[in-house]
Order: sequence, then structure tokens, then C-alpha cells
Amino acid sequence: DAKTTQPPSMDCAEGRAANLPCNHSTISGNEYVYWYRQIHSQGPQYIIHGLKNNETNEMASLIITEDRKSSTLILPHATLRDTAVYYCIVRVAAQASGNKLVFGAGTILRVKS
Amino acid sequence: DTEVTQTPKHLVMGMTNKKSLKCEQHMGHRAMYWYKQKAKKPPELMFVYSYEKLSINESVPSRFSPECPNSSLLNLHLHALQPEDSALYLCASSRGSSGANVLTFGAGSRLTVL
Repeated sequence: DAKTTQPPSMDCAEGRAANLPCNHSTISGNEYVYWYRQIHSQGPQYIIHGLKNNETNEMASLIITEDRKSSTLILPHATLRDTAVYYCIVRVAAQASGNKLVFGAGTILRVKS
Repeated sequence: DTEVTQTPKHLVMGMTNKKSLKCEQHMGHRAMYWYKQKAKKPPELMFVYSYEKLSINESVPSRFSPECPNSSLLNLHLHALQPEDSALYLCASSRGSSGANVLTFGAGSRLTVL
């Protein structure tokens, strides 16, 4: 699976949009971009994933560049409860050898009032 | 039911003890996972079970022994652990075993080895 690069930490004001970048310059055509987050002392939580097109759900939006070498997770109106470690993961969808979800270091997002 | 339930939440054991961590899901998922997470580090994959068969073992020491008695249950048997094995152990499940599947994680079992 392609490697990802994320900033170690970011701050965001409460109520503002949080934009979390992820670089995956070696991504292959059959690899998806997944985002999970982990709030302190809890298990990781799935947020969103996408292949080429931008995606939106009730939690966030995912913007993938046209060349697919980078993406941005957008939390439109960040709250204090969004303070967490955010993981960007790239992986092959049709992986016959099993579902090997590998976490990188992630970005610590601190939402401040 | 959309949860993965892990018990116990906290476990303290000596290096000579034998204990087990338990994980349960009732979402009809057919793949289950164990991850280990040390403080301030990302989760590390240990084992993957697919349709109750072990499909991935990430070279985990034999003092950790996984077991999948049925599609809803996953155990991690612990024996002769070392203090450096103290960590948060996370269980997860997914509908299938291909990479397209989203993982649902439990809250974890925090293990302390004395």
C-alpha cells in the first residue's frame, strides 16, 4: 500500500472548517484513500473514503486532487469533540490477502474555543 | 447493533499469569482483527481472521494466541507476557476481508503487565 504523509499537528478554532491535508504521491490507480480518527482513549472511528471523486457524508468531506497525489479532509464546522488524531490511509480495495489496514503517525487536530 | 464490545476494559496481570481478552460483534461481520497500541503511537496490526480462519499474523510472539470460536467472537489469550507488552489492545471487525471494507473498532482493553 502507498505511503502517506501528514502534518504532525494542527490547530483549528471552534466553529471554523478544519482542513487536514494528506500527501500520497505514490498512490496507484486501484488504491482508495481512507480517513479514520481516534479520540483520546477510544478506538479508531471510520470517517470517509474515496477513489477519485470528491465525497461527502454527515461527518466530513473528502477532496482528492485530479492527479490523486494528495487529498484534504474537511470538517466543515469543527467542535471541541473533533479534537483527535486523524489518520489518512491508502489501500487497495480488492486485496485478496486480507484487510491489512496500516496506520501511519496521523495528524493531531486540536480544536480550540 | 453496530458495536464491537471488548472485555475487560482494564486488565492487570503478572508475568506468569494466563489471561484472555474477549471481543464480540453482532453485525454479521466475517472478518475480525486485533491491534496493539502503545502510548502516543498509532495502532499496529497483530492478527486478522477471515471467515473464522487466521489469514494474517504479523509475526506476533507466541505468548499472544488468538482464537476465533465463531464468527461473532474473537479472543486473545495471553501467557508469560513481558512489561513491554503493556498497551491498549483494540479489536475490530468488517463485513468482509477485502480492502474495500470499513473497519469498526471497539473501545479497547488496556493491559498492564507487572
